[in-house]
Amino acid sequence: GAVVSQHPSRVICKSGTSVKIECRSLDFQATTMFWYRQFPKKSLMLMATSNEGSKATYEQGVEKDKFLINHASLTLSTLTVTSAHPEDSSFYICSAREGWAGGYGYTFGSGTRLTVV
Amino acid sequence: QKEVEQNSGPLSVPEGAIASLNCTYSDRGSQSFFWYRQYSGKSPELIMFIYSNGDKEDGRFTAQLNKASQYVSLLIRDSQPSDSATYLCAPQLNSGGSNYKLTFGKGTLLTVNP
Repeated sequence: GAVVSQHPSRVICKSGTSVKIECRSLDFQATTMFWYRQFPKKSLMLMATSNEGSKATYEQGVEKDKFLINHASLTLSTLTVTSAHPEDSSFYICSAREGWAGGYGYTFGSGTRLTVV
Repeated sequence: QKEVEQNSGPLSVPEGAIASLNCTYSDRGSQSFFWYRQYSGKSPELIMFIYSNGDKEDGRFTAQLNKASQYVSLLIRDSQPSDSATYLCAPQLNSGGSNYKLTFGKGTLLTVNP
């Protein structure tokens, strides 16, 4: 089945630094990538959607200058948390879809636990 | 605001029983509905999806959809302790053009007691 590899699984960084999270689709071409954030005991909140070769579309309330998304190839998308602060500590999860429209499955990465100290 | 409502639980059932998980959604434009299982600290795993009214069965799992009532449910037969997890309901919405995305409910925590 489809596999999405997400790295790192855990990262601890100092306040003010930047962190990059990578998601790779291993056996399919991810036309669309989704980035979610999940706080403890809360649901997944969609942060942004990116189509290969296009600028990401951010959900309302998500700072695009803080959460930089790059989807330069059909197999790789990255999320960079810039100038991270303790309130950015969360579980970040990517999801990839092979097709452009509905009817295709969504494959999730294993998630990245970010702790900002 | 497009909302997905689920009872947060916890829902406790004895091993071997049927667990019933419910979900209502507000956006009538929702076309497909996905059920995911999420263990603590892990990312969601797809259980199944449904897009036609009625029932869809896959092993011990049955999804039920009623678009008129904006209601979708998941039944788990012969529940096992390993089924203990949070179950997330996720309608797929068309956010414009050919752009589709999932919107997640808060999930229902299921505990299956041995």
